[in-house]
Amino acid sequence: NAGVTQTPKFQVLKTGQSMTLQCAQDMNHNSMYWYRQDPGMGLRLIYYSASEGTTDKGEVPNGYNVSRLNKREFSLRLESAAPSQTSVYFCASSEAWVGAEQYFGPGTRLTVT
Amino acid sequence: AQSVTQLGSHVSVSEGALVLLRCNYSSSVPPYLFWYVQYPNQGLQLLLKYTTGATLVKGINGFEAEFKKSETSFHLTKPSAHMSDAAEYFCAVKGQGAQKLVFGQGTRLTINP
Repeated sequence: NAGVTQTPKFQVLKTGQSMTLQCAQDMNHNSMYWYRQDPGMGLRLIYYSASEGTTDKGEVPNGYNVSRLNKREFSLRLESAAPSQTSVYFCASSEAWVGAEQYFGPGTRLTVT
Repeated sequence: AQSVTQLGSHVSVSEGALVLLRCNYSSSVPPYLFWYVQYPNQGLQLLLKYTTGATLVKGINGFEAEFKKSETSFHLTKPSAHMSDAAEYFCAVKGQGAQKLVFGQGTRLTINP
């Protein structure tokens, strides 16, 4: 049982390049989330997917797109990377009920130069 | 809407001393409250949560927190700090019926030998 896995662990991009961050969970969770973590700002929600086939914007969605490929996988795409997107990105998953805890992946450290 | 304020971005205590990390929340509906811990270069891990029922909640690694509705607080405590407790701690809130978890900015705990 691997929990939540993310690839890649590290990535360096040049401004304007694109990339996709991959996330998968093996806990049969309905809900999945993408966050970014910046110093002194906690975690901020980028997008989430309450269930397979649905996605919704979070607090900071600009510059990102997501795809809920199936129940296991939820990817985050940067179409044209900007230095402001330098951050650590975390994927999480949870059961659907409101009091359920979220389980986090190990993170992807992205630097945009 | 929900929000979380963690008082003190850095807290330093001596090994064996009491750990107290403060969290105040704002929520227009009864909240669900969470404390997560993040060790260096890792994802977040749930320490404890309050959903309903007993207001004193016990978690992993000897931590506990008390939900005080009148004070809108959910402070995290541990009677005796260990060196292994050095990490960043995040308080988070979710309103009943809400899908999204709102995080505080985090408190970095340092343990002095």
